[in-house]
Amino acid sequence: SQTIHQWPATLVQPVGSPLSLECTVEGTSNPNLYWYRQAAGRGLQLLFYSVGIGQISSEVPQNLSASRPQDRQFILSSKKLLLSDSGFYLCAWILQKETQYFGPGTRLLVL
Amino acid sequence: GESVGLHLPTLSVQEGDNSIINCAYSNSASDYFIWYKQESGKGPQFIIDIRSNMDKRQGQRVTVLLNKTVKHLSLQIAATQPGDSAVYFCAENAGGTSYGKLTFGQGTILTVHP
Repeated sequence: SQTIHQWPATLVQPVGSPLSLECTVEGTSNPNLYWYRQAAGRGLQLLFYSVGIGQISSEVPQNLSASRPQDRQFILSSKKLLLSDSGFYLCAWILQKETQYFGPGTRLLVL
Repeated sequence: GESVGLHLPTLSVQEGDNSIINCAYSNSASDYFIWYKQESGKGPQFIIDIRSNMDKRQGQRVTVLLNKTVKHLSLQIAATQPGDSAVYFCAENAGGTSYGKLTFGQGTILTVHP
């Protein structure tokens, strides 16, 4: 069966520090991968998606970037974090059907 | 741009009652809809989906209804239990070359009182 992992689970970072969040998927090949951010008490905002290795599409201009160095690995990064980058970051995947399956999320607090 | 929204941000019910959560969508090109359940501090969990060529689909204790005429989606939960307390999101997929991208509604908080 397929599983999706995210780490770390929680992260507290100072403003101006770099960021690297990782998402990996097991049990599938060539999935579409997605990064979402969710502010407290709000809905999900799509940040990036990838249909293959090295292919990244950005949905909104922001302080973040994404990379897909391997088929089942999706990384969210920042060179200098802002206070507004705080939130709950979710990774999701699709294989064949349109149903997206989500990971457990990473809670980021920028101070 | 196109969006998916919810009529009611909160819903409180008694254990054993039936719950109905509503969602309005505006993109007439959307051909696939999903309901997710999100518990506090966790990622959204798939509940049930429906394609635009269907009006109704049933799962275990849940039913999704789709009214394309008025662009309305609803989730019905039968015999609601305290474990059903969570935030419920509807999402739409416009299909075509959208690469599986989903547009999410704001969410409805369901609280089930024992």
